[in-house]
Amino acid sequence: NAGVMQNPRHLVRRRGQEARLRCSPMKGHSHVYWYRQLPEEGLKFMVYLQKENIIDESGMPKERFSAEFPKEGPSILRIQQVVRGDSAAYFCASSRYDPNTGELFFGEGSRLTVL
Amino acid sequence: KNQVEQSPQSLIILEGKNCTLQCNYTVSPFSNLRWYKQDTGRGPVSLTIMTFSENTKSNGRYTATLDADTKQSSLHITASQLSDSASYICVVPRRDSNYQLIWGAGTKLIIKP
Repeated sequence: NAGVMQNPRHLVRRRGQEARLRCSPMKGHSHVYWYRQLPEEGLKFMVYLQKENIIDESGMPKERFSAEFPKEGPSILRIQQVVRGDSAAYFCASSRYDPNTGELFFGEGSRLTVL
Repeated sequence: KNQVEQSPQSLIILEGKNCTLQCNYTVSPFSNLRWYKQDTGRGPVSLTIMTFSENTKSNGRYTATLDADTKQSSLHITASQLSDSASYICVVPRRDSNYQLIWGAGTKLIIKP
């Protein structure tokens, strides 16, 4: 049973370009979460999705950031018109049940560098 | 004030020694408390999930304790190994949410040979 798969592992973008990060949850998991981590800092919640629904996006910047988890295919975190401050590691996690009771399994992260 | 406070911020110990990491939380009531290990450049990995009714839970050389009255948890690592070098993060579900987790800043543990 493969774990949470994230790609790309490393992504370099110039200011103003778009970044798309993909996350395939573990088999049987319908809950997906995205977190951002700056160097030497803790994880910051961004968004929680279930299939085709955004449950909570309170941690996501109002502009330029969007997330989706379609019925088929991976979850996508999209960052438009990237700026240097978007440089960070973006982690995806999935769980079978809601996070209050279900264990979260994390991917290895996607490291975005904005030049 | 953070709802999940961890101490120390960082810790260096010699291989083979024991250590204890602390977590104080203010979220109340809570359903569970979790400890994660995050190796540098990797995603976090769950070490243990404790419910409020559990006082102690072990996972190999890792033993977590929980005092729901004082709202404190500790993670004890026995006979440390070089591979234990990582950040250890305490996580608690938010009181007003079924699904948002509050992450502590973590304790960075370095094991020296």
